[in-house]
Amino acid sequence: ETGVTQTPRHLVMGMTNKKSLKCEQHLGHNAMYWYKQSAKKPLELMFVYSLEERVENNSVPSRFSPECPNSSHLFLHLHTLQPEDSALYLCASSQGYRDSYTFGSGTRLTVV
Amino acid sequence: DQQVKQNSPSLSVQEGRISILNCDYTNSMFDYFLWYKKYPAEGPTFLISISSIKDKNEDGRFTVFLNKSAKHLSLHIVPSQPGDSAVYFCAARGSNFGNEKLTFGTGTRLTIIP
Repeated sequence: ETGVTQTPRHLVMGMTNKKSLKCEQHLGHNAMYWYKQSAKKPLELMFVYSLEERVENNSVPSRFSPECPNSSHLFLHLHTLQPEDSALYLCASSQGYRDSYTFGSGTRLTVV
Repeated sequence: DQQVKQNSPSLSVQEGRISILNCDYTNSMFDYFLWYKKYPAEGPTFLISISSIKDKNEDGRFTVFLNKSAKHLSLHIVPSQPGDSAVYFCAARGSNFGNEKLTFGTGTRLTIIP
């Protein structure tokens, strides 16, 4: 596997469910990101991890909980989501902030 | 407050002609600009970038122009090919604290008509 891998590709969950999104990067990068892409909106930066420490949390509701156990893995834990949280969730990595980001293919999340 | 704006949600261009995608920004601290391309069911991929010390950067069929005074950049694709049909995102960042992360626009869906 090369690049940035995200699983699952698609996820349908109820508002009372708990699920997790997984991201793995094989590039040796030291920064990882979660972005949310909703229709007709810019890619919204949710969380940034640098060297496994969370350095940014852009006013994201607490029903989204990130975890970065090591420099290669990033999780997004989801619980009691709302239908408006339905979106494409993209993971990215980079070598420092000034490097261009490499994105995964995303997880298409639908909350019912 | 949207700091990077792509005012055209979609654009259709005949194959072989020039495609011009536009992007405006409001943050004067931005000094590095990138274009990403996204196919359906895939993540965005880096296409081309430009630093604020330049006003043009070219890579094959792709050229990015930067007008700092107007806070405007554009991506030119010539000649356009069917494989260029995708969503194009403009992104920007600065060098100072608080602006180092990429800020993206809403994207422009480019359709190349054979």
